[in-house]
This record gives sequence, structure tokens and C-alpha cells, in this order.
Amino acid sequence: DIQMTQSPSTLSASVGDRVTITCRARQSISNWLAWYQQKPGKAPKLLIYKASSLENGVPSRFSGSGSGTEFTLTITNLQPEDFATYYCQQYNTYWYTFGQGTKVEI
Amino acid sequence: QVQLVQSGAEVKKPGSSVKVSCKASGGTFSRYTISWVRQAPGEGLEWMGRFIPSLDSANYEQNFQGRATITADKSTSTVYMELSSLRSEDTAIYYCARDLRSPGPLDMWGQGTMVTVSS
Repeated sequence: DIQMTQSPSTLSASVGDRVTITCRARQSISNWLAWYQQKPGKAPKLLIYKASSLENGVPSRFSGSGSGTEFTLTITNLQPEDFATYYCQQYNTYWYTFGQGTKVEI
Repeated sequence: QVQLVQSGAEVKKPGSSVKVSCKASGGTFSRYTISWVRQAPGEGLEWMGRFIPSLDSANYEQNFQGRATITADKSTSTVYMELSSLRSEDTAIYYCARDLRSPGPLDMWGQGTMVTVSS
């Protein structure tokens, strides 16, 4: 399995901030990476796929970048509804793995 | 508009089995793979396996091989995930999710099913 490591585990921010979350793969996954947002008591929601492609309906303040082993999720102009936990997921192989999550808190 | 609707919460004894269902509505069932992902309380996401309707077969993450069984009833567009030999560490929310371009991102998720394993 391809291990995915996110940092930081927790991030404190304020409304209007720009925040960046990093996800590292133990081996190259090309650009086969997705980002999800999860709010308490809810299922995860797909935000970004193929490292930088925005899912339909996702606000443009979310963006993704990277390839190979290092990836970032950036949220510009953080909004109150963005306080949540974010996960990366690799799909370079049929055996998916997730990062451990990054909680974005006030 | 495709929706995935899961069965309700379950409470099981250690050593028993649980079977969770995921019904797809509003789309062509055979067109896409369904993955299962679980989340223990306060923990992250763990991929368990998938059902591939076009092949009528499943594959599993190594940790669940031999203990999880994923099947489907095409007539009702329902995918099932059965987990046997339950232990307390299996207490989690179990999600089904659409795997449209398998391998690919999981673009639609069920609401989740809480499974509690307790004596």
C-alpha cells in the first residue's frame, strides 16, 4: 500500500485567511490524488481530483497542486463553512489509501 | 441524480457478522464501481474494498481479505458489505461511495451506517 502523510494534523486559522495543507506520498503517484472535506456527522465530500481539477460545484477558493510525491490543498479567503477536516486520497493503484486528515479549526 | 442510501445503524456482539446495504437510485447501476470506506470514532478514513458490477466481482484491501464480503443484487441496484468475526475495533461508520472512474476519486457517498460492536 502507498502510505499518505498529511501535515499539519491541526491548523488554526481565521475567516479570510489563506491556508495550505500538504500531502506526501511514499512513492510517486503521478497526479492521481483527490482531496475531500468532511464536516462532523457528515460523509466526506469530493473537492478536487487529479491533483488540481475542481469538482463541479466546489467554490473556486479551493485549489490543488502538485505531482509525484508532494501535493497541496490551498483555501484562499477562508469562510466559516470551510472549518472542517480535510483528507487526501491516492488512486494511483486500485488499492486506495487516505492521509490521516487535517482539521482546520478556528 | 444518483443517490446512495445505506441501511440503518447496527449493534452486534463480538464474533458475529454484520451486513450493510447501499442502494443506488437515479442512475445506471452497472456503470460504476462501489467502494466501501470505514471510519472509526475520531479516526480517519480506511478503504476496505469495492464491487465491480461489470465484472460481477469484488476486491479487497489486504486487512479485510477473508473477513469482508462485498456482493450486489443488480435487480435492486443494491450493494452489500458483510463483515464477519466482528471485534470491538470494527466499531465504525461504514460508507459506500461511487468509484466512477475506478481507479479514481470517490465522487458520491452514502450517508454512512454506524456499526457498534459491544458485548
